[in-house]
Amino acid sequence: AAGVIQSPRHLIKEKRETATLKCYPIPRHDTVYWYQQGPGQDPQFLISFYEKMQSDKGSIPDRFSAQQFSDYHSELNMSSLELGDSALYFCASSLGFTPWGQNTEAFFGQGTRLTVV
Amino acid sequence: TQLLEQSPQFLSIQEGENLTVYCNSSSVFSSLQWYRQEPGEGPVLLVTVVTGGEVKKLKRLTFQFGDARKDSSLHITAAQPGDTGLYLCAGLSGGTSYGKLTFGQGTILTVHP
Repeated sequence: AAGVIQSPRHLIKEKRETATLKCYPIPRHDTVYWYQQGPGQDPQFLISFYEKMQSDKGSIPDRFSAQQFSDYHSELNMSSLELGDSALYFCASSLGFTPWGQNTEAFFGQGTRLTVV
Repeated sequence: TQLLEQSPQFLSIQEGENLTVYCNSSSVFSSLQWYRQEPGEGPVLLVTVVTGGEVKKLKRLTFQFGDARKDSSLHITAAQPGDTGLYLCAGLSGGTSYGKLTFGQGTILTVHP
């Protein structure tokens, strides 16, 4: 079965550079989530999109932006990179949602390891 | 802010032993998911529990959702070295926070042969 695809898997950038992370959800999934996971930490929610509209926002810095395109893939744009941005960035997708959480299982991609030097 | 307290953070046991990981919150979640994560890889969904009091079994793993949907547990019977990994619980918020998962701190399980 097709899974969530993230690219690139590894990315090395210098401070103050920009980076773009891409996420291709499971086919027919309309919801995409972005998470940041620092070393030894649990994933922290950044932002989510449902049907190409931002649905929720977490602890995402103003230097970061994201969008979901018409084909439901999503991109996380990160500017003015800082050393502290080094982390694993995960994308997850799910098929819609209901207010009571049914049919909202989120499946994660393998992540992009961003290293800022 | 919804928080999930997961315990223990570290667990080191011998093959064949049983163990339980707990996930507790003061908030109600619409559902709770358990993931397993290998180093450098994305979390892999193990199970989702939705109904208060629900119990789900996945081979030697038993998952339970508290009656009030504020807590959950993962019980592993006769642990094997292949069970070694990071286990994460994650609560799914309902209402206006559609689909946002709040993760616990994780439990690093090591099963020694």
